[in-house]
Amino acid sequence: RKEVEQDPGPFNVPEGATVAFNCTYSNSASQSFFWYRQDCRKEPKLLMSVYSSGNEDGRFTAQLNRASQYISLLIRDSKLSDSATYLCVVNKAAGNKLTFGGGTRVLVKP
Amino acid sequence: DTAVSQTPKYLVTQMGNDKSIKCEQNLGHDTMYWYKQDSKKFLKIMFSYNNKELIINETVPNRFSPKSPDKAHLNLHINSLELGDSAVYFCASSQVGAASYEQYFGPGTRLTVT
Repeated sequence: RKEVEQDPGPFNVPEGATVAFNCTYSNSASQSFFWYRQDCRKEPKLLMSVYSSGNEDGRFTAQLNRASQYISLLIRDSKLSDSATYLCVVNKAAGNKLTFGGGTRVLVKP
Repeated sequence: DTAVSQTPKYLVTQMGNDKSIKCEQNLGHDTMYWYKQDSKKFLKIMFSYNNKELIINETVPNRFSPKSPDKAHLNLHINSLELGDSAVYFCASSQVGAASYEQYFGPGTRLTVT
């Protein structure tokens, strides 16, 4: 079983719609959680950290469920520019070693 | 004012050759990383250096040898290149202990071994 698992998609989303997807992680000792965004043929960039109480950044909402060991990302009012691969990232207890999921591809269409 | 830079951006070479990729960061971070992203898009950490000291060394063939001359630079040398080494190699940096744990990535080096 992979340490961090994501539905690879693609999620085809009409512009203006809401899309949500999850990521599961296997290490219950994981301490920090993030969503990174990677555009085609570009480097990953931090989208947002995920806090235990859930957090929102504009149209993006992230949730953490420690009991079931998953995190989620919800995008409201999708824009064409939201088309990208969203990488779920988990930080283990020791050090700053990030473990990346395989990514969920989102395609927003007019 | 590029934060994390890598050279070269593209590298096409033949099997058996030796090649190097260079990385530099101007963010003042104390930790740098090398990641490999294969054709299936999985991003896997290879090495990490903190203040020039190797702190993460994943299961990587010893044909791969990182070197950090100072905390702003982390190079990757690959000996006897194989077809399976074809991938995008990303350098990243972060400040260990910073609350966000954010890692800043370079633009990647697309290595093709023929």
